[in-house]
Amino acid sequence: EADIYQTPRYLVIGTGKKITLECSQTMGHDKMYWYQQDPGMELHLIHYSYGVNSTEKGDLSSESTVSRIRTEHFPLTLESARPSHTSQYLCASSEGTSGGTDTQYFGPGTRLTVL
Amino acid sequence: KNQVEQSPQSLIILEGKNCTLQCNYTVSPFSNLRWYKQDTGRGPVSLTIMTFSENTKSNGRYTATLDADTKQSSLHITASQLSDSASYICVVSDRGSTLGRLYFGRGTQLTVWP
Repeated sequence: EADIYQTPRYLVIGTGKKITLECSQTMGHDKMYWYQQDPGMELHLIHYSYGVNSTEKGDLSSESTVSRIRTEHFPLTLESARPSHTSQYLCASSEGTSGGTDTQYFGPGTRLTVL
Repeated sequence: KNQVEQSPQSLIILEGKNCTLQCNYTVSPFSNLRWYKQDTGRGPVSLTIMTFSENTKSNGRYTATLDADTKQSSLHITASQLSDSASYICVVSDRGSTLGRLYFGRGTQLTVWP
């Protein structure tokens, strides 16, 4: 079992609210990732980070933002949630060895529902 | 376009039976292929990883095969258990970037009945 945590596990909020999804890992991994996953569909990368103060957008355009002030912490923020943001959000981390050979460890996910 | 296609989309088997899941990919240049298991409401957990030169890799009752020439992989589960009920995701990584871009399949939803 990987030491990567996400809170909350489930969140139901109204449109227009600001939310922050928390992700933390205790493995000292340099790389961290946020994925979005809809039921029966593949994971889509929305943000990633190579290390502290490094953040990049992923393949899927997202209105969310991320920050990486500490190695272990990679929160995702939605300034104004909309029903289209309803999805499962998965956080992952990896050691950061060369070109895709390291394994990503996933958190349990946050199931977000925006009414 | 780099893609990962999995079949079948869903599968129901009886406890104790074997099954094989398929993965076809077009990712190039190829780095490695992983199979992940994702329980409902949980994050994916890595089962196996294979590089270009590896044909087969086992993890307990799970055996993955890779044919890099035909760009096909399979995951064979022997003596299935109720706890095997999950989505099995094929993930292919390319060598084209420092990040090691991952391409995810949509998964095969396996249900094991008693």
